[in-house]
Amino acid sequence: AQKVTQAQTEISVVEKEDVTLDCVYETRDTTYYLFWYKQPPSGELVFLIRRNSFDEQNEISGRYSWNFQKSTSSFNFTITASQVVDSAVYFCALSEARSYIPTFGRGTSLIVHP
Amino acid sequence: NAGVTQTPKFQVLKTGQSMTLQCAQDMNHEYMSWYRQDPGMGLRLIHYSVGAGITDQGEVPNGYNVSRSTTEDFPLRLLSAAPSQTSVYFCASSYGVYSYNEQFFGPGTRLTVL
Repeated sequence: AQKVTQAQTEISVVEKEDVTLDCVYETRDTTYYLFWYKQPPSGELVFLIRRNSFDEQNEISGRYSWNFQKSTSSFNFTITASQVVDSAVYFCALSEARSYIPTFGRGTSLIVHP
Repeated sequence: NAGVTQTPKFQVLKTGQSMTLQCAQDMNHEYMSWYRQDPGMGLRLIHYSVGAGITDQGEVPNGYNVSRSTTEDFPLRLLSAAPSQTSVYFCASSYGVYSYNEQFFGPGTRLTVL
């Protein structure tokens, strides 16, 4: 069975601080995919990134970066120099290769204060 | 492209009433799904479909029915609403028949059952 744990329920930072959102996953499959989604206060869910289990290279997109470590079953998300617009709930998700049912973590609410 | 559309945006029901939440996508995606989002619970899959005429249960299917008569539409029916079904409902679609691709989400329907 697959499982995703986002232990941080809420994180509060001041603008320009760096912040890391943790995601730990469990799966018995060797081929799987990991995702991050953003849900801003407006409510819609926005896809941020997908990684497959064979690609452990870190990814950077502007102020966003992702660290995938199979050794610790983690897929952490770092925002550098956070901004108020980064305030949102962030969800980590996992889907095994031939699964029809993705598993989402419970989300981390990030509040960035000006 | 409109992407994934959902109607209505808000709905209030009385216990025992039935209703249908509409979902449509114009991206010709095979995979469509319904989630419910409850505080602190993340997103939980209710039902999914891998193509017209094919539907299956997710993690929390009780009290809900779905059908998929066309590629575009995937309505969710509440047969006899209960207060436990008060939630925000999201419809999503993705390319392919498995859940390992990026999901596109609708704007959500906020349902209150009194």
